[in-house]
Amino acid sequence: AQKVTQAQTEISVVEKEDVTLDCVYETRDTTYYLFWYKQPPSGELVFLIRRNSFDEQNEISGRYSWNFQKSTSSFNFTITASQVVDSAVYFCALSDRSGSARQLTFGSGTQLTVLP
Amino acid sequence: DTAVSQTPKYLVTQMGNDKSIKCEQNLGHDTMYWYKQDSKKFLKIMFSYNNKELIINETVPNRFSPKSPDKAHLNLHINSLELGDSAVYFCASSQHKQGGGGYTFGSGTRLTVV
Repeated sequence: AQKVTQAQTEISVVEKEDVTLDCVYETRDTTYYLFWYKQPPSGELVFLIRRNSFDEQNEISGRYSWNFQKSTSSFNFTITASQVVDSAVYFCALSDRSGSARQLTFGSGTQLTVLP
Repeated sequence: DTAVSQTPKYLVTQMGNDKSIKCEQNLGHDTMYWYKQDSKKFLKIMFSYNNKELIINETVPNRFSPKSPDKAHLNLHINSLELGDSAVYFCASSQHKQGGGGYTFGSGTRLTVV
């Protein structure tokens, strides 16, 4: 069965610090997709990135970067020079063919608080 | 134009009532989902429909009944509401054949049962 583990329940940093959010996944599918979503206090789910299982290249987008390592089944997310506006719950998610249909399975989320 | 729209955004109702949440997507996706987010922020899939056919039906009380009149709509009807049903319900859509092509979420419906 598919599973996504975000071991860090809460992280608190001071503005301008770098922070890494960990994500470990389990799947028996050979073709799968990994996602990160941000949920700010307003409650909506904001898509950040999608990565397929055949593309292990790291990605950088502004202050955000992602490190995908199939060997350790990890898809970690780093925010460089964090800002107060980065405060949110961040979810890692996995899309694979579970049972009869593909579905998106979420980790339990990491609450990031960036202090001024 | 909103890609996935849910109504209402907030719903406060008494125990025992029946209520519906509506969801519509204008992305041309063939698959729609309902997710429940509990008070601890955990997001869990409830149902999925592909071209109006139910393809995922997780362990959910049968008081919850999804209905998909066409592939652009997936409504959630809840009978005999209980306090434990209080949560945020998210609708989402995707293009199934593309697999992980992306999931678009609605803004959520916060249901409070009193």
